[in-house]
Amino acid sequence: KQEVTQIPAALSVPEGENLVLNCSFTDSAIYNLQWFRQDPGKGLTSLLLIQSSQREQTSGRLNASLDKSSGRSTLYIAASQPGDSATYLCAVGETSGSRLTFGEGTQLTVNP
Amino acid sequence: DAGVTQSPTHLIKTRGQQVTLRCSPKSGHDTVSWYQQALGQGPQFIFQYYEEEERQRGNFPDRFSGHQFPNYSSVLNVNALLLGDSALYLCASSLEGDRGANYGYTFGSGTRLTVV
Repeated sequence: KQEVTQIPAALSVPEGENLVLNCSFTDSAIYNLQWFRQDPGKGLTSLLLIQSSQREQTSGRLNASLDKSSGRSTLYIAASQPGDSATYLCAVGETSGSRLTFGEGTQLTVNP
Repeated sequence: DAGVTQSPTHLIKTRGQQVTLRCSPKSGHDTVSWYQQALGQGPQFIFQYYEEEERQRGNFPDRFSGHQFPNYSSVLNVNALLLGDSALYLCASSLEGDRGANYGYTFGSGTRLTVV
């Protein structure tokens, strides 16, 4: 059974800092990995999708990497802003079109 | 381009009652998945519908059932509500041909269900 763990559970940083969120998964036979953002009481907004054959994806100040062999992914946020405050979730898909298995998220607070 | 639409946004029900939640997928998508998210936790997969059939199911009791209509919209039904069913229910859509491969899944804003 796939298990996804995110560390840290919560993170508070000053504005402008670069930061890294970590995601690990127990079964390396994944199809893809997706990072989401969730604002309090809201749905999920997709940030980045990495296929199993890819090493990283970038969008603006966000960069996600994937190391299947070690069962790890990182989300790098550059020059953090208060608007980045949210919970960040990673989710793995084990086969094409299959369910997503989520971690419990990292709650990020960026202080002005 | 309309995203995933869920209704209602909030709902309060009494223990033992039944509830129906609705989801309209993103335009062009034909597959709908439902997730339950308890407070402070990651979403848990309930089931997935494609071509009006339940294709995959997570570890949820039979009290949770669903349906997909010819227009790809879907409903989630929960019978005999328990206090523990209180959660945010999320709907996600994707395109079968794409199978979430190229664009991932698109999520709605969810329905907040409170059971009292």
